[in-house]
Amino acid sequence: NAGVTQTPKFRILKIGQSMTLQCAQDMNHNYMYWYRQDPGMGLKLIYYSVGAGITDKGEVPNGYNVSRSTTEDFPLRLELAAPSQTSVYFCASRGDRGSGANVLTFGAGSRLTVL
Amino acid sequence: AQSVTQLGSHVSVSEGALVLLRCNYSSSVPPYLFWYVQYPNQGLQLLLKYTSAATLVKGINGFEAEFKKSETSFHLTKPSAHMSDAAEYFCAVSFSNTGNQFYFGTGTSLTVIP
Repeated sequence: NAGVTQTPKFRILKIGQSMTLQCAQDMNHNYMYWYRQDPGMGLKLIYYSVGAGITDKGEVPNGYNVSRSTTEDFPLRLELAAPSQTSVYFCASRGDRGSGANVLTFGAGSRLTVL
Repeated sequence: AQSVTQLGSHVSVSEGALVLLRCNYSSSVPPYLFWYVQYPNQGLQLLLKYTSAATLVKGINGFEAEFKKSETSFHLTKPSAHMSDAAEYFCAVSFSNTGNQFYFGTGTSLTVIP
């Protein structure tokens, strides 16, 4: 049982480049989330999804896009990378019933640097 | 507004001493409260959660937290710190009326001095 898998773990981008951070979970969770973590700022929600085909903005969505074509996958797209997007990105998921409801399971993170 | 505040971005304790990490929340509806731990270069792991059952919640690795509605607090404690407890700790909250979103505190870095 892999849980939440994020790729890549590290990436360096040049300003203006684009890339996609991949996130996959094998727990059949409906809810999935993308957070960014900056020093001293905690975690800020970028986008979330309540099920396949449904996504919504979080606190800091500008410069990002997401899609949710399957229950398992929730990729985060960065268009026209900027230095302000240098951060550590975490994907998380949760179930919606039973003991797993309201408990986020996190991936190991993707560290992105934009130069 | 609904949010969570962690007091103290850095806490240092001696090995064997009491650990106390503070978390306060603001909410107009009953909260669900969580503590997560993050070890270096890893994702966040759930330590414990409060979801309106017992107010004293026991978690993994000897940690516990008490929900105090009158003080809007959910402080994390451990009677005796161990070197392996050195990590970043995050308090988080979600609410029954906005169950899709979780709000995280800014984190407290715990250092354990041998």
